[in-house]
Amino acid sequence: SYELTQPLSVSVALGQTAKITCGGDNIGSNNVHWYQQKPGQAPVLVIYRDKYRPSGIPERLSGSNSGNTATLTISRAQAGDDADYYCQVWDSSTLWVFGGGTKLTVL
Amino acid sequence: QITLKESGPMLVKPAQTLTLTCTFSGFSLSTSGMAVAWIRQPPGKALEWLALIYWDDDKRYSPSLGSRLTITKGTSKNQVVLRLTNLDPVDTATYYCASDTTTRKYFDYWGQGVRVTVSS
Repeated sequence: SYELTQPLSVSVALGQTAKITCGGDNIGSNNVHWYQQKPGQAPVLVIYRDKYRPSGIPERLSGSNSGNTATLTISRAQAGDDADYYCQVWDSSTLWVFGGGTKLTVL
Repeated sequence: QITLKESGPMLVKPAQTLTLTCTFSGFSLSTSGMAVAWIRQPPGKALEWLALIYWDDDKRYSPSLGSRLTITKGTSKNQVVLRLTNLDPVDTATYYCASDTTTRKYFDYWGQGVRVTVSS
């Protein structure tokens, strides 16, 4: 089965840049999608197909994917970015797979 | 505007069957390519995909839970039903439904979720 590995937590100072990684075997050959989830709320799609932002998602959020690691980058971090972030891929054997999630803390 | 909303019991007993309904608007599950999925999240834990149904009634299930799950279209055209049998306290979670398509393979719209507790 295909597995995605994320760090449990990432901290970033207000106004600085945070990078959240998502590791998987040759993940660069998959499309990676990212969701943001705030406490008590449903997840929200913030990046799809590695690097595309849905309407309404700020340009401060960007994505990349190569080799065995996909990365969600949050520039100029704001208090409102404080949330859990999940990566997700579709794999032919495991189908829809989520990472374990990363808690981003904005200090 | 696409919306989805989950409904079902908040408390169920071990060994019982859970039946959840997803009621959606803003799209039709009769439209070629459309799909509706169920995803759950135990308290304090990660998201877990459970099942998905396509517009043509094709279905996919999580390999780890497949034999316990059944996803169907509801009696109303804008509903999808999930059944999970032989419940255990580890099935306690918030259950979400979400929309997808054959080409996207990601979930662009989500319901608010329904919290289900499995306890005697």
